[in-house]
Amino acid sequence: EAGVAQSPRYKIIEKRQSVAFWCNPISGHATLYWYQQILGQGPKLLIQFQNNGVVDDSQLPKDRFSAERLKGVDSTLKIQPAKLEDSAVYLCASSLVTGRGNTEAFFGQGTRLTVV
Amino acid sequence: GDSVTQMEGPVTLSEEAFLTINCTYTATGYPSLFWYVQYPGEGLQLLLKATKADDKGSNKGFEATYRKETTSFHLEKGSVQVSDSAVYFCALIHTGGFKTIFGAGTRLFVKA
Repeated sequence: EAGVAQSPRYKIIEKRQSVAFWCNPISGHATLYWYQQILGQGPKLLIQFQNNGVVDDSQLPKDRFSAERLKGVDSTLKIQPAKLEDSAVYLCASSLVTGRGNTEAFFGQGTRLTVV
Repeated sequence: GDSVTQMEGPVTLSEEAFLTINCTYTATGYPSLFWYVQYPGEGLQLLLKATKADDKGSNKGFEATYRKETTSFHLEKGSVQVSDSAVYFCALIHTGGFKTIFGAGTRLFVKA
């Protein structure tokens, strides 16, 4: 079974530039998550989709971050304009939805963003 | 709200030593509990899970038992290897919930 695919693996940009990350979840997984992981910390949820609807975006800095999941499959996360503090690994994950809620999340390898 | 607390790291052990990483949680009802592992430069991988009280999750020599009376899910391994060096995250999903809550992670170093 194919896992969660993310691209690119690494990205270096200058502050105030824009950047976009792409994620393709495991086939059949209705729930898709974007997490931000700053060095030395645990993952912080930025946004969660179920199919193509947003379930939780309470920690997404909406003045500069946006995300979409058209057709309920692939997703893109965009930062515009980037700040130095956005340097982090951006993790995409997906999970099944059952009658008891979500099952465990499966993660991609992440995109390491460096803002200089 | 729901939360997960892990012991602070780093934890440094010699090869073949016994490992315990403590994890306690706060949640109403009966959450599912997980341990994830993150190797350098990689995403998180599910290590083991337990979905109800007294369940024991196990994988690759690691074990954790869901203890509702102490709201704990401590990770143990009898004999660690250098290749176990990684960051370990405890996590929960509340019953019927939609969000995975992660602890801050515990870094493990194993010396040869």
